[in-house]
Amino acid sequence: EAGVVQSPRYKIIEKKQPVAFWCNPISGHNTLYWYRQNLGQGPELLIRYENEEAVDDSQLPKDRFSAERLKGVDSTLKIQPAELGDSAVYLCASSLEFGARVGELFFGEGSRLTVL
Amino acid sequence: AQSVTQLGSHVSVSEGALVLLRCNYSSSVPPYLFWYVQYPNQGLQLLLKYTTGATLVKGINGFEAEFKKSETSFHLTKPSAHMSDAAEYFCAVRVYSGGGADGLTFGKGTHLIIQP
Repeated sequence: EAGVVQSPRYKIIEKKQPVAFWCNPISGHNTLYWYRQNLGQGPELLIRYENEEAVDDSQLPKDRFSAERLKGVDSTLKIQPAELGDSAVYLCASSLEFGARVGELFFGEGSRLTVL
Repeated sequence: AQSVTQLGSHVSVSEGALVLLRCNYSSSVPPYLFWYVQYPNQGLQLLLKYTTGATLVKGINGFEAEFKKSETSFHLTKPSAHMSDAAEYFCAVRVYSGGGADGLTFGKGTHLIIQP
């Protein structure tokens, strides 16, 4: 099966500019996650979707970050305006919450953001 | 809230030697536990998971982990290290409550170095 697809893989922008990341989850996976991974750290959850609904966005900095998951499939994460501290890898993951693979998150390769 | 502590940000072993990566968790309810591996510039790949049942779980690439409830630990081991095992390893915990599943909570990671 095709894995989680993210784009772009790399993005370099100047501070105060906007940026957007796109994620296509594994077909049929109803739950989608966006994580942020700072250098030398573990991933931290930003937002979790079940179908179209954002069920956990408590860690999303809502003043500058926004996300959407239209039609319960693809998702976009946006930052506007970007700050120097936003430099990180943004990981998308998806999961199917039943069956033998219950609990398992499948990750994309990530989008590495550098803010200058 | 749940949390994960990985002891040792860097672990160095000789090729052919035992690999032991330590993970302790905190959770108020029975957790699901995971180990993920991350190679440079790649996403996270699941090594193994514990949900219920047998406390010794086997994963890919010869890795295994044992869930010890009394010690709140889920250490990862491999009898004989290979050069290809060099990577970043993340322990993660997930809990399920009446409202469904939370996202994965990750530790900070352990960088495994294999000496020739």
